Amino acid sequence: NAGVTQTPKFRILKIGQSMTLQCTQDMNHNYMYWYRQDPGMGLKLIYYSVGAGITDKGEVPNGYNVSRSTTEDFPLRLELAAPSQTSVYFCASNHRTGGSANTGELFFGEGSRLTVL
Amino acid sequence: GENVEQHPSTLSVQEGDSAVIKCTYSDSASNYFPWYKQELGKRPQLIIDIRSNVGEKKDQRIAVTLNKTAKHFSLHITETQPEDSAVYFCAAFPREGNNRLAFGKGNQVVVIP
Repeated sequence: NAGVTQTPKFRILKIGQSMTLQCTQDMNHNYMYWYRQDPGMGLKLIYYSVGAGITDKGEVPNGYNVSRSTTEDFPLRLELAAPSQTSVYFCASNHRTGGSANTGELFFGEGSRLTVL
Repeated sequence: GENVEQHPSTLSVQEGDSAVIKCTYSDSASNYFPWYKQELGKRPQLIIDIRSNVGEKKDQRIAVTLNKTAKHFSLHITETQPEDSAVYFCAAFPREGNNRLAFGKGNQVVVIP
């Protein structure tokens, strides 16, 4: 298994440009997540999905959009990039069979380093 | 929502000594507490986790203890080695609400050879 694969690994954007970070997983996980990691600030959840066709906002969703048309793919769209979106973005997935007491290891992609100038 | 805090933010230890990182959480209903390790430039990876029905769990040189009354849990690394140098994130999973992990800000652990 390749696990969680993110592309691109690095990208430089100009203010106002748009782009999509791609994320795919081959573990048949139902849950997928997008986090951003700023220096010294830990991991903040942007959006997550509990299954194909279902997405929900996390802590910091403004300026981003997601879709989940298949179990495998969970792209993150940045519209009108701003310097505040300069960060490292991590996609993650896990499998949960239901019930609030049941959660499992989060598998992270290698990250995408985005710089907005 | 759940709020997770980690202390200290940076910890330096001599190789061979022990390191302890403590996390506090706010939601008494949280029932799952993982620790993730992130080496420089790498992705976070799970190293150990504990559920609320257990007080302690050990895996070789690492262990996690949970105090539900005080709402804190700690990561213990014994016989530290240079490869233990990393950022460690704790997290808590709230039983109710948004069904997603709440991460702390991370602790930088530096093992001095």
